[in-house]
Amino acid sequence: SQTIHQWPATLVQPVGSPLSLECTVEGTSNPNLYWYRQAAGRGLQLLFYSVGIGQISSEVPQNLSASRPQDRQFILSSKKLLLSDSGFYLCAWVEGFVTPGYTFGSGTRLTVV
Amino acid sequence: AQTVTQSQPEMSVQEAETVTLSCTYDTSENNYYLFWYKQPPSRQMILVIRQEAYKQQNATENRFSVNFQKAAKSFSLKISDSQLGDTAMYFCAFMKINFGNEKLTFGTGTRLTIIP
Repeated sequence: SQTIHQWPATLVQPVGSPLSLECTVEGTSNPNLYWYRQAAGRGLQLLFYSVGIGQISSEVPQNLSASRPQDRQFILSSKKLLLSDSGFYLCAWVEGFVTPGYTFGSGTRLTVV
Repeated sequence: AQTVTQSQPEMSVQEAETVTLSCTYDTSENNYYLFWYKQPPSRQMILVIRQEAYKQQNATENRFSVNFQKAAKSFSLKISDSQLGDTAMYFCAFMKINFGNEKLTFGTGTRLTIIP
């Protein structure tokens, strides 16, 4: 069966520090992968998506970047965190075209102090 | 661009009662999918129900059902015999059919509280 792993679960980082959040998927190949952010009390906003290794599309210009070094690995990064980067970050992959829908990871709560 | 609107920020209902959450959306697409996701306090996003726009029949999943009105661009969620475990944030979401780029557009959510 397919599973998605996301870590760390919680992170507190000072302003100006780097960031690396990792997401991996098991049990499937060539998944479409997504990074979403949920600010406090708000809905989810798409940040990046990837349809293959090295292929990254950005939805919102900001302080973050994403990379896909392997087929089932998706990484969200920042060189210097801002206070506004605080939020809940969710990785997701799409199950398929026949019965489309996302499977989400368990999320990372990031607090920038 | 698509937009999804959830006009009820918060709702509460007594256990065992029925509750309906509203969602409207705006799109020029004819083929798409609509979803309701549940986010309990653990913050894990859980798919509740899915509706294909080309299907006239409303989707149902046990106690959860939708009222899909394509012409009105309305997609409400009905929870019957509500249970304490239904307490969560509920998000309505839209997906345009676009193979290779299945972006979801979310509403701002409705916080549902089931009262014992």
